[in-house]
Amino acid sequence: NAGVTQTPKFQVLKTGQSMTLQCAQDMNHNSMYWYRQDPGMGLRLIYYSASEGTTDKGEVPNGYNVSRLNKREFSLRLESAAPSQTSVYFCASSESAGLYGYTFGSGTRLTVV
Amino acid sequence: RKEVEQDPGPFNVPEGATVAFNCTYSNSASQSFFWYRQDCRKEPKLLMSVYSSGNEDGRFTAQLNRASQYISLLIRDSKLSDSATYLCVVFRGTSYGKLTFGQGTILTVHP
Repeated sequence: NAGVTQTPKFQVLKTGQSMTLQCAQDMNHNSMYWYRQDPGMGLRLIYYSASEGTTDKGEVPNGYNVSRLNKREFSLRLESAAPSQTSVYFCASSESAGLYGYTFGSGTRLTVV
Repeated sequence: RKEVEQDPGPFNVPEGATVAFNCTYSNSASQSFFWYRQDCRKEPKLLMSVYSSGNEDGRFTAQLNRASQYISLLIRDSKLSDSATYLCVVFRGTSYGKLTFGQGTILTVHP
């Protein structure tokens, strides 16, 4: 069972470069989420998609865009990377809009230099 | 006030010890409650849901007190493999189903 798959696992960007983080789930979940995790800050919601075709901002959306390509895939794009975006990014999905918790991907470690 | 607050620890306990973690949440409309475990440099994984009547899974016992807005996790007979960060998580049942995570409690079990 693949669950939630994120790519890439590691990435180093230069300031100003762009990139897209990919996320796919095979559990037929409706809702998908992007979080970032920083030391001392916990997990913070960047964007979420309650269902295919919808996306909304979370707590820290600035500098990011998302695309819910289909029910399985939810990508996160950094248009012009900044050192403040150095973080670990987790994608998650849920059935019943989180009532039973989330399943997380293994994360992407991003460093912006 | 943070929506979910945990004692960050760290807790350092010997193998075989019993350790308890506490968590408080601020929104009385919260519907579901969870404990997640996160190993170093890994993703959070669901450890157990927390039910109003309290629930147990092997060496782990979770309790919920809705009146006090308080959640706890008790680990008995600690193992080295229990070393991890434990996240208290609350579901408020908004239209988009957002989970709110505490910052986590670090547990280290030593020989």
